[in-house]
Amino acid sequence: NAGVTQTPKFQVLKTGQSMTLQCAQDMNHNSMYWYRQDPGMGLRLIYYSASEGTTDKGEVPNGYNVSRLNKREFSLRLESAAPSQTSVYFCATGRDVGPQHFGDGTRLSIL
Amino acid sequence: DAKTTQPNSMESNEEEPVHLPCNHSTISGTDYIHWYRQLPSQGPEYVIHGLTSNVNNRMASLAIAEDRKSSTLILHRATLRDAAVYYCILRDMNRDDKIIFGKGTRLHILP
Repeated sequence: NAGVTQTPKFQVLKTGQSMTLQCAQDMNHNSMYWYRQDPGMGLRLIYYSASEGTTDKGEVPNGYNVSRLNKREFSLRLESAAPSQTSVYFCATGRDVGPQHFGDGTRLSIL
Repeated sequence: DAKTTQPNSMESNEEEPVHLPCNHSTISGTDYIHWYRQLPSQGPEYVIHGLTSNVNNRMASLAIAEDRKSSTLILHRATLRDAAVYYCILRDMNRDDKIIFGKGTRLHILP
């Protein structure tokens, strides 16, 4: 089992470019989450999806869009990247209030 | 929103027990206490969680104060591999968006 798979692992963008971060899980969990982690900081929730077809804003949603394509996949899109969005992005899955399982992260730099 | 307070850093000797404290004085009755840890360059890893009673698993023990305003993560015999940032977070059983990671405690293990 792969668990939670994030692609790509690294990406460099120029300001104003767009891109989509992909996340896929094989754990059959209903809930999926996107976090960002800035250097020396804890994780902050961007968006989450409690089930297929539903998405909701977290703590820092501005500048991002998400899509829950099916139960397995939850993507995060940056329409017009800004240097302030340079960060490490983590996808996670979970069931109810049980443990969350995290991917290895996508390290995104925006110049 | 209920928040947690943890020491910025702690040190412990290898093969000794470690007690990591967390204060959550504004915890609500529907908040679970979760602990995660993050090793360098990795995504967070679930450690343990509980509601009211003390909990044990293969990784650690969680001791919860009777008034639930504080908790302690106990690593019974620290190894060098336990060096990580440990996060204490509260999760409302009814709300998926209420997940707040603080800065955590950076645990240093001395050989």
